[in-house]
Amino acid sequence: SQQGEEDPQALSIQEGENATMNCSYKTSINNLQWYRQNSGRGLVHLILIRSNEREKHSGRLRVTLDTSKKSSSLLITASRAADTASYFCATAAGTALIFGKGTTLSVSS
Amino acid sequence: EAGVAQSPRYKIIEKRQSVAFWCNPISGHATLYWYQQILGQGPKLLIQFQNNGVVDDSQLPKDRFSAERLKGVDSTLKIQPAKLEDSAVYLCASSRGGPNEKLFFGSGTQLSVL
Repeated sequence: SQQGEEDPQALSIQEGENATMNCSYKTSINNLQWYRQNSGRGLVHLILIRSNEREKHSGRLRVTLDTSKKSSSLLITASRAADTASYFCATAAGTALIFGKGTTLSVSS
Repeated sequence: EAGVAQSPRYKIIEKRQSVAFWCNPISGHATLYWYQQILGQGPKLLIQFQNNGVVDDSQLPKDRFSAERLKGVDSTLKIQPAKLEDSAVYLCASSRGGPNEKLFFGSGTQLSVL
């Protein structure tokens, strides 16, 4: 079953620009997580935000959570070519983590 | 710490054949997950183990897929017989506990069914 839906599906930007990805979900959650996946590799955890938090930072990453709108956003500031990857939000409502379809980010130099 | 190990990295089989994937989670991680990721989509949970017990296998096609986690450590996922639509990357992940913990993923096994 699909819980989170990322928007946009694909995003192309230049190095140095900011990238914003959005995630919407359907049911109440315990937390929301963001993961990155480089081509042909497994997923890497980026950040976890709990349902009682509104904003969280980690390096160049900023995540917001609006539980009233059932949505989250991931902002990557000053993008680099190495940020080129697919980004997934994942929501934990019960015992398991359910992933969205992802946003593919391309950063060109 | 050593990461999640998976093997094989790639597997090509013909339809109706059987295949098995192996996963060794991070030491001490109680929870182990198998996800299926079809090209262009997000990972879909197949089965979740807590130690050696099954927590959630609601999306596992049990007529052809089976999984076990003996002794609460390593796990194997088997498909028998394989269908064309099983072509995907099979990802193993582990965590210290439940869904409030972050997951650590292996590199996956890319399966092609011809």
